[in-house]
Amino acid sequence: AQKVTQAQTEISVVEKEDVTLDCVYETRDTTYYLFWYKQPPSGELVFLIRRNSFDEQNEISGRYSWNFQKSTSSFNFTITASQVVDSAVYFCALSGTSGTYKYIFGTGTRLKVLA
Amino acid sequence: DAGVIQSPRHEVTEMGQEVTLRCKPISGHDYLFWYRQTMMRGLELLIYFNNNVPIDDSGMPEDRFSAKMPNASFSTLKIQPSEPRDSAVYFCASSRKIQGTRTEAFFGQGTRLTVV
Repeated sequence: AQKVTQAQTEISVVEKEDVTLDCVYETRDTTYYLFWYKQPPSGELVFLIRRNSFDEQNEISGRYSWNFQKSTSSFNFTITASQVVDSAVYFCALSGTSGTYKYIFGTGTRLKVLA
Repeated sequence: DAGVIQSPRHEVTEMGQEVTLRCKPISGHDYLFWYRQTMMRGLELLIYFNNNVPIDDSGMPEDRFSAKMPNASFSTLKIQPSEPRDSAVYFCASSRKIQGTRTEAFFGQGTRLTVV
């Protein structure tokens, strides 16, 4: 079975602090894909990043960075110098390559950035 | 591209009424997904289609729910009869494979359904 766990239900930080959102996944597939999505208060789901299981390079995009570690089945997301506009619910998702073509989402982490 | 388009954005209906949610996927995408989001259960996959064919409907809660995809550019999710516990935000998403590589799913704005 495939599963995504986001143990942090809610995190509050003060603006300009760095924050890391954790994501742990389970899959038996050797090839799989991991994703992060952002859901701002307006409600839409915005794609942030995709990573395949063969690419363990960390990625940085502006203030966002992602740390993928197969050894610990984790795909963590760090926001550097957080801003109020980063306040949202963040979802980690997994899609395997055996069986059905599903995107399995974690329960999300609500990030509140306080001014 | 206009993205995934869902209609209506909001729907309020009385218990027992039929509700139809609509989705237009991104052109060229051959996978279409229906998700439901609630506070209690998070984002649940209800059903997905590949090339207009339903592949996995194991997430459909019960026989009151049905989904169709008559062509590559249109899908519906129908609830008949609706019940208050069906109140949720329903998302449609689409994606495609590129040379065997799975891409991300793009989501519509969602339909907020309230059954009173």
